[in-house]
Amino acid sequence: DTAVSQTPKYLVTQMGNDKSIKCEQNLGHDTMYWYKQDSKKFLKIMFSYNNKELIINETVPNRFSPKSPDKAHLNLHINSLELGDSAVYFCASSQASTGATRGYTFGSGTRLTVV
Amino acid sequence: SQQGEEDPQALSIQEGENATMNCSYKTSINNLQWYRQNSGRGLVHLILIRSNEREKHSGRLRVTLDTSKKSSSLLITASRAADTASYFCATGGGTSYGKLTFGQGTILTVHP
Repeated sequence: DTAVSQTPKYLVTQMGNDKSIKCEQNLGHDTMYWYKQDSKKFLKIMFSYNNKELIINETVPNRFSPKSPDKAHLNLHINSLELGDSAVYFCASSQASTGATRGYTFGSGTRLTVV
Repeated sequence: SQQGEEDPQALSIQEGENATMNCSYKTSINNLQWYRQNSGRGLVHLILIRSNEREKHSGRLRVTLDTSKKSSSLLITASRAADTASYFCATGGGTSYGKLTFGQGTILTVHP
């Protein structure tokens, strides 16, 4: 019944590895996002997809590559992980037509620790 | 760059007291939203106020918006220990796939 689900919840990996985080929403929303929350709790958008099309691509290292196989899924692949990538990554979704009135629905986050 | 800035950064009160958090932003907005984040959890949408609205209520929450001062406030009345969380304001959203720009949040602690 989870509206926006992310896996894994925790991810500990070594520098240089490649990892993926998966996100799925069952709300029927057409827009999905990836946000990064740093150790100071500052949230910054990374990517946004609308109906599988990349809409927002903030200044993010190209080691980060999102993929949206369908509008219910948005995955995040990270190559050559660095210590500075350690953060909590949140997936979110909204309906483009109602995002302005109903807000965004967030997943519970993936805590990535690079050692 | 960061859009919203919350004030105070941390707030500690007793159960039953009211809690007021403020948010300032820099650019023109379509709407302003408030979210709550419990420790180790995702963000939960609380309330949205449009740029043409001045005040909005939802249960024990009251939000005001002053576009001339580019500021908003969130008031939680009769606080409970369960209200302990971080509270974020976010601007933008807009009409279509607009991104939300978040402030740094206010950490609210409500002591039983």
